[in-house]
Amino acid sequence: ETGVTQTPRHLVMGMTNKKSLKCEQHLGHNAMYWYKQSAKKPLELMFVYNFKEQTENNSVPSRFSPECPNSSHLFLHLHTLQPEDSALYLCASSRLSGGRNTEAFFGQGTRLTVV
Amino acid sequence: GEDVEQSLFLSVREGDSSVINCTYTDSSSTYLYWYKQEPGAGLQLLTYIFSNMDMKQDQRLTVLLNKKDKHLSLRIADTQTGDSAIYFCAESYNQAGTALIFGKGTTLSVSS
Repeated sequence: ETGVTQTPRHLVMGMTNKKSLKCEQHLGHNAMYWYKQSAKKPLELMFVYNFKEQTENNSVPSRFSPECPNSSHLFLHLHTLQPEDSALYLCASSRLSGGRNTEAFFGQGTRLTVV
Repeated sequence: GEDVEQSLFLSVREGDSSVINCTYTDSSSTYLYWYKQEPGAGLQLLTYIFSNMDMKQDQRLTVLLNKKDKHLSLRIADTQTGDSAIYFCAESYNQAGTALIFGKGTTLSVSS
């Protein structure tokens, strides 16, 4: 148990559906992240939030929409996805101290399948 | 652009030492990390090393950093079957260390 909880663990959605992934951290961290892990590819950073403000958007298509209402919760809203968006979506959190971050703790991921 | 390279597979016998290697491109990286991913699980931070260090030891784990060659390695002593997993090398590519770039991961297989 890393202190970062993601729900749901598995999600199957059609291309016309709208769904949301949720991430919650109980570590008192102030930065949160979404990563995408596809088969045979490196993990890809999607979004970074520091103190609830988005500081990185790694050229992610607009069909992925993040939301960070507070420093403990992070959402990823999904709509009109494509089959190639099927992947494991990992949330992570970390503590920024003195403008620097030393380690990120990851959730177990949501396995998304787009049909 | 930034890139992190790792070999994809490593197979060892139980009790042997495992060495997983990684090369990276961003010389300004402040921290370099090793993460472990077991089947069906998220990534677990194993250890990290600050860029002004050459070596860090933590129980069975030894991290070696060669900044000149931009080479990072993870040595696992007395490898156990429970060490079988995917190991990811990562570097931070921004000053704050909030943006990590990962390698594709090395699958370590330990046979008894």
